[in-house]
Amino acid sequence: GEDVEQSLFLSVREGDSSVINCTYTDSSSTYLYWYKQEPGAGLQLLTYIFSNMDMKQDQRLTVLLNKKDKHLSLRIADTQTGDSAIYFCAEEGNNAGNMLTFGGGTRLMVKP
Amino acid sequence: DAGVTQSPTHLIKTRGQHVTLRCSPISGHKSVSWYQQVLGQGPQFIFQYYEKEERGRGNFPDRFSARQFPNYSSELNVNALLLGDSALYLCASSPDRDTGELFFGEGSRLTVL
Repeated sequence: GEDVEQSLFLSVREGDSSVINCTYTDSSSTYLYWYKQEPGAGLQLLTYIFSNMDMKQDQRLTVLLNKKDKHLSLRIADTQTGDSAIYFCAEEGNNAGNMLTFGGGTRLMVKP
Repeated sequence: DAGVTQSPTHLIKTRGQHVTLRCSPISGHKSVSWYQQVLGQGPQFIFQYYEKEERGRGNFPDRFSARQFPNYSSELNVNALLLGDSALYLCASSPDRDTGELFFGEGSRLTVL
């Protein structure tokens, strides 16, 4: 079955880089996603990576994919206090569509 | 442009009652999906509707049902509420039926007492 796992919590200082890690199980996933959830809000798509790519960079965000180890990471450069939120990785379901399997989320706390 | 809107934002029900949650997708989006997010966990897929037809269903009991209307808005219905149904119910819309690029509403927070 599908299972996506993330560490629960990460604390960094403002200006440092943050790295949020994720492991997934479904090797057939075509795309993998990172979503952000701020308090009291829904989820916002941050970025995604196609499964035949190793890396994708989008401004301060860098996604690394190790398909062999089924490991996905999100690096946020120059982390700001406004980046404090919960970050979810997600893989596509077996039948694709809009079905995503989310991890439990990593709460990022940025200290000034 | 209006994003995905959900109503009500908060509601309290008692065990055994029924609830209906509503969602209006972004204009032009024909696909709507529903997710349940229990406190402290990631969202879990419940349903997807595209062009008024059910296209996917997650591992939820038959007490959960949904439908999509001609204007692409959607309702999620839950019968015989249990305490464990307490959660944030998120609606997401998408212009494409086969994509994980979802636009989420802020959710309806359901508390079952």
